Amino acid sequence: GENVEQHPSTLSVQEGDSAVIKCTYSDSASNYFPWYKQELGKRPQLIIDIRSNVGEKKDQRIAVTLNKTAKHFSLHITETQPEDSAVYFCASRDNYGQNFVFGPGTRLSVLP
Amino acid sequence: DGGITQSPKYLFRKEGQNVTLSCEQNLNHDAMYWYRQDPGQGLRLIYYSQIVNDFQKGDIAEGYSVSREKKESFPLTVTSAQKNPTAFYLCASSIGQRTYEQYFGPGTRLTVT
Repeated sequence: GENVEQHPSTLSVQEGDSAVIKCTYSDSASNYFPWYKQELGKRPQLIIDIRSNVGEKKDQRIAVTLNKTAKHFSLHITETQPEDSAVYFCASRDNYGQNFVFGPGTRLSVLP
Repeated sequence: DGGITQSPKYLFRKEGQNVTLSCEQNLNHDAMYWYRQDPGQGLRLIYYSQIVNDFQKGDIAEGYSVSREKKESFPLTVTSAQKNPTAFYLCASSIGQRTYEQYFGPGTRLTVT
């Protein structure tokens, strides 16, 4: 079945710097890749997603890139702010199981 | 706040007792899911349901049971057979299993001592 790896597990950046989190997946049939943000004790919330027919997607300070050949996708956050501090999860979904497989998460800390 | 609720927020039980976690949604979604989250780990799928009166096991179903008698409700029972039940439990729903976005509930933190 699908396996999703996520790196780094923790990331600290200075306010205003950029942050990049990378995920790799194993199933070439996976076709949908969402990113979730989870603040401490709260529910995960979808922040951006990308489908396999697109290479890049942007939403203000957040972008996601997808490399289907290498089977990896990355979350890019520019001009980070303290409120970006949270755990970020990537996920993938394939055509067969129709369920999501999540990465282990990255704890991002934005230092003021 | 997303239209999916879970109760209670915190739950404490003694070892050996069964406990049922509530999940309700008013989004008219067909598909519902239960995930378990442990510290430093991603979400792992326990059970999912595509439609009323139908559900399937996820990756870690042992020691858990579910029912789907109503479209709006998908309760999860953590049985005494679950060896490590202490965790954060998240319920989610989506329009259908073949659609993309999942909406999560606020979660229930279960502590078993």
